[in-house]
Amino acid sequence: SQKIEQNSEALNIQEGKTATLTCNYTNYSPAYLQWYRQDPGRGPVFLLLIRENEKEKRKERLKVTFDTTLKQSLFHITASQPADSATYLCALPTSYNTDKLIFGTGTRLQVFP
Amino acid sequence: KAGVTQTPRYLIKTRGQQVTLSCSPISGHRSVSWYQQTPGQGLQFLFEYFSETQRNKGNFPGRFSGRQFSNSRSEMNVSTLELGDSALYLCASSLDRAGNTEAFFGQGTRLTVV
Repeated sequence: SQKIEQNSEALNIQEGKTATLTCNYTNYSPAYLQWYRQDPGRGPVFLLLIRENEKEKRKERLKVTFDTTLKQSLFHITASQPADSATYLCALPTSYNTDKLIFGTGTRLQVFP
Repeated sequence: KAGVTQTPRYLIKTRGQQVTLSCSPISGHRSVSWYQQTPGQGLQFLFEYFSETQRNKGNFPGRFSGRQFSNSRSEMNVSTLELGDSALYLCASSLDRAGNTEAFFGQGTRLTVV
């Protein structure tokens, strides 16, 4: 079955730098992959969806890449700010293009001033 | 427009009891998915409803059930509660297909089983 690996260790970076978070999957390559942000005690907030035929997607300071050869997605936040501090989750379908999602356990990002 | 509303926000129940959680999706959204989130397991998919039909189901025991009403509001029921059911229960709504479009999550219901 599909497994997602996100770095469970917190990522600490200085304000203004680019944060890069990794999402690796182990099995088939999915039709799409999503990234969410979650703050403590709150539900996840959708950030970006990238499809298998898209190598890269951008939204303001956010950029996501999707490499089906490496079975990996990278999530970048440029010019990071303390307000970007949160846990970031990646999610992908449990089989190629189903609506049933599996989530990674997330990576906590801490941006220091 | 109003976001996804989950009620109640917090709940304390005793082992063996049953509980019903409610989720009101964003107006116009027809898909509602439910997730369980625990520190050890992360977010785990419970089930998804679309137009009153369960379209997908996760790997949870039959004690976990749900339904969706004609107005797209959804309820989730857990019977014979166990200590391990303590978790944050989240619902997410989306316009059409749950996975391939943006999903909006509610604040969750924090269930504590004692």
